[in-house]
Amino acid sequence: QGQLVESGGGVVQPGRSLRLSCAASGFTFSDYGMYWVRQAPGKGLESVAVIWNDGSNNYYTDSVKGRFTISRDNSRSTVSLQMNSLRAEDTAVYFCAKVRSKGAFDIWGQGTMVTVSS
Amino acid sequence: AIQMTQSPSSLSASVGDRVTITCRASQGVRDDLGWYQQKPGKAPKLLIYAASILDSGVPSRFSGSGSGTDFTLTISSLQPEDFATYYCLQDYTYPWTFGQGTKVEIK
Repeated sequence: QGQLVESGGGVVQPGRSLRLSCAASGFTFSDYGMYWVRQAPGKGLESVAVIWNDGSNNYYTDSVKGRFTISRDNSRSTVSLQMNSLRAEDTAVYFCAKVRSKGAFDIWGQGTMVTVSS
Repeated sequence: AIQMTQSPSSLSASVGDRVTITCRASQGVRDDLGWYQQKPGKAPKLLIYAASILDSGVPSRFSGSGSGTDFTLTISSLQPEDFATYYCLQDYTYPWTFGQGTKVEIK
């Protein structure tokens, strides 16, 4: 079925950086796009960034453009999210999610909490 | 970005009730619409994709319908394990966007 495990969350001051990682297992990682989705405390879900299966393309939601970078290493079955210039409004649980062949997120990680606070 | 509007934002229902949640897109998304269930402290779980296709292992009491801008998630007979928050997601165009969620509570 497949599994995703995120790591790298924590407490960070505004303006600083943090790097999240997501390790995949149980499926052919290089065949699928991968997404980062976040959820602020008590709020709904927001898609953040996507990367194509071969890393050839990506897309970011407007609020993180120029600050966040998504990347992947298909040899290690990992996807990462480099988050720079963090703001209080980036505080959230960050999930990585696998994209099905035709849309939708069929596998999710357990999430990692990022808190941006001075 | 396409805006997804769910209604209601919350509802109270009893075990055995039929529950319907709607999702409206600000522009047409064909049938590129999924439904997710999330319980507190857990990751979301895919229930339905392509508007009406049940994901593997999802009970048949869940069903989805719609196309274009208007979509519906129906739970035919609410079970205790169905009390959760439900989200729609359009995967028609980037950025993929979620509805604001519908919390289903016990009456």
